[in-house]
Amino acid sequence: NAGVMQNPRHLVRRRGQEARLRCSPVKGHSHVYWYRQLPEEGLKFMVYLQKENIIDESGMPKERFSAEFPKEGPSILRIQQVVRGDSAAYFCASSPPGMVRETQYFGPGTRLLVL
Amino acid sequence: TQLLEQSPQFLSIQEGENLTVYCNSSSVFSSLQWYRQEPGEGPVLLVTVVTGGEVKKLKRLTFQFGDARKDSSLHITAAQPGDTGLYLCARTKASGGSYIPTFGRGTSLIVHP
Repeated sequence: NAGVMQNPRHLVRRRGQEARLRCSPVKGHSHVYWYRQLPEEGLKFMVYLQKENIIDESGMPKERFSAEFPKEGPSILRIQQVVRGDSAAYFCASSPPGMVRETQYFGPGTRLLVL
Repeated sequence: TQLLEQSPQFLSIQEGENLTVYCNSSSVFSSLQWYRQEPGEGPVLLVTVVTGGEVKKLKRLTFQFGDARKDSSLHITAAQPGDTGLYLCARTKASGGSYIPTFGRGTSLIVHP
């Protein structure tokens, strides 16, 4: 009974490169959420997706960041032209459909380091 | 602006001690969640409290929601090294068919054997 899987667990990029973070939700979950955790800011919501749709992207930076959750395959968080300030732990969570509060399951995170 | 203030920020104690951590806000919550995050892992939901004055127990952990629904506390009895981690409180907001948590910065707890 696999939980949320994220890969890679660690990612090193140089400034200006692209970072792609992958998230496979719990089987049967159709809602995916991305969060970013910085030591000085805590854990912040970025984006909420359902299959093929972005539902809430109020926490996404306006530039360089994008997310998708295709009909088949994992959800992808993409960061273009990374800068040092993008270094953080990125967490994905998933939940089943329906308005139930107690159902977000978090993955182990991807630690991104930008050199 | 931090909507949720957690205190203390850090706590280092010996095994067997009791402790309480707090989560406060100037706003009223419709509900509040507590999570524990172990080093190198994602947060794990411990409990959701909804009703003012509500008390929930999870083994040695006791969660209380303030009567005015503006604050919450987590009390751990006889702490063990396995309790070490970052304790996060979060308020939830409804969004497009789900609930999105907004987190405080957390209390980092270390329990020494």
